[in-house]
Amino acid sequence: GENVEQHPSTLSVQEGDSAVIKCTYSDSASNYFPWYKQELGKRPQLIIDIRSNVGEKKDQRIAVTLNKTAKHFSLHITETQPEDSAVYFCAATPFGNEKLTFGTGTRLTIIP
Amino acid sequence: AAGVIQSPRHLIKEKRETATLKCYPIPRHDTVYWYQQGPGQDPQFLISFYEKMQSDKGSIPDRFSAQQFSDYHSELNMSSLELGDSALYFCASSSMSGGALSDTQYFGPGTRLTVL
Repeated sequence: GENVEQHPSTLSVQEGDSAVIKCTYSDSASNYFPWYKQELGKRPQLIIDIRSNVGEKKDQRIAVTLNKTAKHFSLHITETQPEDSAVYFCAATPFGNEKLTFGTGTRLTIIP
Repeated sequence: AAGVIQSPRHLIKEKRETATLKCYPIPRHDTVYWYQQGPGQDPQFLISFYEKMQSDKGSIPDRFSAQQFSDYHSELNMSSLELGDSALYFCASSSMSGGALSDTQYFGPGTRLTVL
């Protein structure tokens, strides 16, 4: 089955700086890679996703890159703000309508 | 926009009791997923349903069962509860019929189950 590794487990950055979270996956059949943001005790919220036919996707301050050959994908947050503080999970699946396999999460703290 | 609804939001049970968690997917979504999230852990897939049929099964204990009804809502039934079952249980929904671009999984607010 799919195995997703995520690094780092914790990340602290100064407000306004950039944050990068990296994930690797094992199953070459995976084609859909969403990123979820989860605040304490709340639901995972989709912030961006990417499919295997695209190498990069951007939405305002958030971008995701995908390298299918190397089986890794990354989340980039620029101009970080205090409200970006949360746990971020990457995930992988062959298709969006199949089970998600999550990474172990990154606790991001933005220092004002 | 309507979101995934879960009930109850909080549930406290004693060991060996039973619990039923309910999930109401986003309207017109035909696929429901259940995930279990322990403290400080990532969500773990339990089971999923498409058009009222089980579509996939993960690390769900035999003590748990689930089904999807004709109105697409789903229920997760948990029996002989153990202390280790204490967790957040999330339901997510998606639509297969809308094509690849509409298959994103949207999560409900979760049910926090505490087993004493």
